[in-house]
Amino acid sequence: EIVLTQSPATLSLSPGERATLSCRASQSVNSYLAWYQQRPGQAPRLLIYDASNRATGIPARFSGSGSGTDFTLTISSLEPEDFAVYYCQQSSDWPLTFGGGTKVEIK
Amino acid sequence: EVQLLESGGGLVQPGGSLSLSCAASGFTFSNYGIHWVRQAPGKGLQWVSTISGSGDNTYYADSVKGRFTISRDNSKNTLYVQMNSLSAEDTAVYYCAKGYSSGWSGTFDIWGQGTMVTVSS
Repeated sequence: EIVLTQSPATLSLSPGERATLSCRASQSVNSYLAWYQQRPGQAPRLLIYDASNRATGIPARFSGSGSGTDFTLTISSLEPEDFAVYYCQQSSDWPLTFGGGTKVEIK
Repeated sequence: EVQLLESGGGLVQPGGSLSLSCAASGFTFSNYGIHWVRQAPGKGLQWVSTISGSGDNTYYADSVKGRFTISRDNSKNTLYVQMNSLSAEDTAVYYCAKGYSSGWSGTFDIWGQGTMVTVSS
């Protein structure tokens, strides 16, 4: 099973600041990595697919990078609605797996 | 508008069974693999099961293999999961999610609102 490790577990930042979230895979997933945002009480929402492609309707302040085992989600300038939990997920191999999540909270 | 709507959640006793449904609309259902993903209270996301567009191929997490059965009725645009031998560890919100691209995709682009399954005596 491919294990995805997200860091940090919690990120405390102010609106307007830059957020950098990390996801490390236990083995290469090539570029088969996605990022999701989950706000409290809501279903997850796809942000980034194939490591660096923004999903439909996702603002340009969200960007993804990386390949192989190391991936980054960057939010260039945090908006109030961006404070949420973010998960990475790999689709390179079965079972499909998620990281444990990074909570971005207001400082 | 592309939508998924789960139903069938509720309270079930340990060892019991429950069936969930996911009604799809706004896209050609038979062209897409569909997935079940669950989230235990206060925990992260866990993939549960996947079925191909035709229904010919199914995949399961080890934690549910042999107890859960995923299926679909493309004439009704509906996904199902039959859950047997339930335990407290199966307590979670269950989401159905659509594969991002037609054919095969393990990326989930559209999610339902979720249905809560509680296993308790």
